[in-house]
Amino acid sequence: GAGVSQSPSNKVTEKGKDVELRCDPISGHTALYWYRQSLGQGLEFLIYFQGNSAPDKSGLPSDRFSAERTGGSVSTLTIQRTQQEDSAVYLCASSRQLAGDVWGKQETQYFGPGTRLLVL
Amino acid sequence: GNSVTQMEGPVTLSEEAFLTINCTYTATGYPSLFWYVQYPGEGLQLLLKATKADDKGSNKGFEATYRKETTSFHLEKGSVQVSDSAVYFCALSDGGSNYKLTFGKGTLLTVNP
Repeated sequence: GAGVSQSPSNKVTEKGKDVELRCDPISGHTALYWYRQSLGQGLEFLIYFQGNSAPDKSGLPSDRFSAERTGGSVSTLTIQRTQQEDSAVYLCASSRQLAGDVWGKQETQYFGPGTRLLVL
Repeated sequence: GNSVTQMEGPVTLSEEAFLTINCTYTATGYPSLFWYVQYPGEGLQLLLKATKADDKGSNKGFEATYRKETTSFHLEKGSVQVSDSAVYFCALSDGGSNYKLTFGKGTLLTVNP
């Protein structure tokens, strides 16, 4: 079946511009994550959505970053007034995650191919 | 907070050599442990996982054992192939409210024929 898809695959923008990155999770997956992969910081968690619950935004590096998930499916990560340090690969992952999971029964996170963002 | 430390490499081996990539972790609670692999030009894929102490995860000839006493989850393979060339990430999740993954910095493995 179809995996997690992300668009665009590559994005080049100028410093100060806004960008939107899109993630289409696997159908039926209620949990969705955004991570960032950069040379200096490795792979970092950004934000988590689970069903209709309020998102966990604890990993967002600044208030220039925001994300939404419409209809419990597609998600958009928005970076406003981009800076050069925002250059990275932005990864989306989804998983089945039922409410009230028993400890240790975390479902596998399936990752998309990522969006490579370059801020000039 | 949680953290994962893995040997950064790069690691270069000849085909059929033995592979070990060390991974140690610090976590609150009782985490699940993972190895993810990123082949050239592809996305991250789960390679194997273990959810409790002494569990051994295995896949494609790779193995890792959850060692609580040494807080380690070292990746091993007895005989590597050229097709194993990739970046390997050790990761943990302590569950909690979001099951987010905390990753090590990744180890680049190159296997030469």
